[in-house]
Amino acid sequence: GAVVSQHPSRVICKSGTSVKIECRSLDFQATTMFWYRQFPKKSLMLMATSNEGSKATYEQGVEKDKFLINHASLTLSTLTVTSAHPEDSSFYICSAWDRGRGRTQYFGPGTRLLVL
Amino acid sequence: QKEVEQDPGPLSVPEGAIVSLNCTYSNSAFQYFMWYRQYSRKGPELLMYTYSSGNKEDGRFTAQVDKSSKYISLFIRDSQPSDSATYLCAMSASNFGNEKLTFGTGTRLTIIP
Repeated sequence: GAVVSQHPSRVICKSGTSVKIECRSLDFQATTMFWYRQFPKKSLMLMATSNEGSKATYEQGVEKDKFLINHASLTLSTLTVTSAHPEDSSFYICSAWDRGRGRTQYFGPGTRLLVL
Repeated sequence: QKEVEQDPGPLSVPEGAIVSLNCTYSNSAFQYFMWYRQYSRKGPELLMYTYSSGNKEDGRFTAQVDKSSKYISLFIRDSQPSDSATYLCAMSASNFGNEKLTFGTGTRLTIIP
């Protein structure tokens, strides 16, 4: 299947700092990437849809100024959690849509964020 | 009513048993159906991808879609301890790149050696 990577896999930061998470499609070009958040033992919660070269579309209730998304190229999208607080601690997962292979979403391995 | 309903489990079965995982949905526009497997602290991994009604088999896994009943299933034959994971069903109305997937809540499965 298609390969999607995320970096870092785990990050611990102090409250008030900003954290950037990268999502890369390694073997295909992704015009659309998605960012999810997952709480323990819960399903995926879509945060935003990231389109290459345009502004991200955020789901209702997701603060766009808090979670900055940039999709600068066909293989890279970034999520920046600004002024992180302990309640932002979570598992963040990205996915990318592969038009050529299966026409569905392939997920990254996730990034675990812990804000102290 | 949620658009997609999935029994959260947990479901425990002995090794070698046949496992049946199911989802029901209410949106008749859904045409594309997926099953993802998620190990603890990992991202979901695509297992099966089907379009419209019918069966699809891949090794020990069989995906079944019944659009008339709005019901999808994933069968795992000869289950192994390595199959222990959370299984998520997902679906969408189209396969356009910017379409969101609608997920079930996931079923936690444990295969007992």
